[in-house]
Amino acid sequence: NAGVMQNPRHLVRRRGQEARLRCSPMKGHSHVYWYRQLPEEGLKFMVYLQKENIIDESGMPKERFSAEFPKEGPSILRIQQVVRGDSAAYFCASSPGGRDTQYFGPGTRLTVL
Amino acid sequence: AQSVTQLGSHVSVSEGALVLLRCNYSSSVPPYLFWYVQYPNQGLQLLLKYTSAATLVKGINGFEAEFKKSETSFHLTKPSAHMSDAAEYFCAVSGVQSSASKIIFGSGTRLSIRP
Repeated sequence: NAGVMQNPRHLVRRRGQEARLRCSPMKGHSHVYWYRQLPEEGLKFMVYLQKENIIDESGMPKERFSAEFPKEGPSILRIQQVVRGDSAAYFCASSPGGRDTQYFGPGTRLTVL
Repeated sequence: AQSVTQLGSHVSVSEGALVLLRCNYSSSVPPYLFWYVQYPNQGLQLLLKYTSAATLVKGINGFEAEFKKSETSFHLTKPSAHMSDAAEYFCAVSGVQSSASKIIFGSGTRLSIRP
């Protein structure tokens, strides 16, 4: 059973460009979570999604960030008009249910030039 | 509101020595508590999880943690450190309510092992 997949593993963008981060949950998992890890810091919750629904987006910045988890395909975290402060590692986790153990992917490391 | 505080951003022990990583939590509801390990440039791996069953939780790689409600602590221990234990360790908390599925992480403790 493959684990949580994230791609790309590394992403470089120039200021003002868009970044799209993808997360494929483990087989049988319908709950997805996105976390951001700034350099030398712990992970900070961003958003919690189920298929086609956003359950909790209390950690998402109000502007430029959006997330989706469509009926088919991976979950996407989209960052528009990236700025240098968006440089971080973005981790996705999945679980079978809302209270179950979350399994983390390897992360996408975004660098904004 | 829930939070965790990890005491000591960096801990260094000798190989074979006791590992003790400290974590205190704050939660207005019965918590779930976790310890995760992160190796360089990798994702997080769950070491162990407390869900209100036994207060002493055994995890992978010889680690264990004890939930002490009176001290609001969930310290991580290992009797004998190995070089392979060098990594970043995160204590984390979430609520048992269905609306509280997000995990709140501490700032992390970097564990170094001296030969």
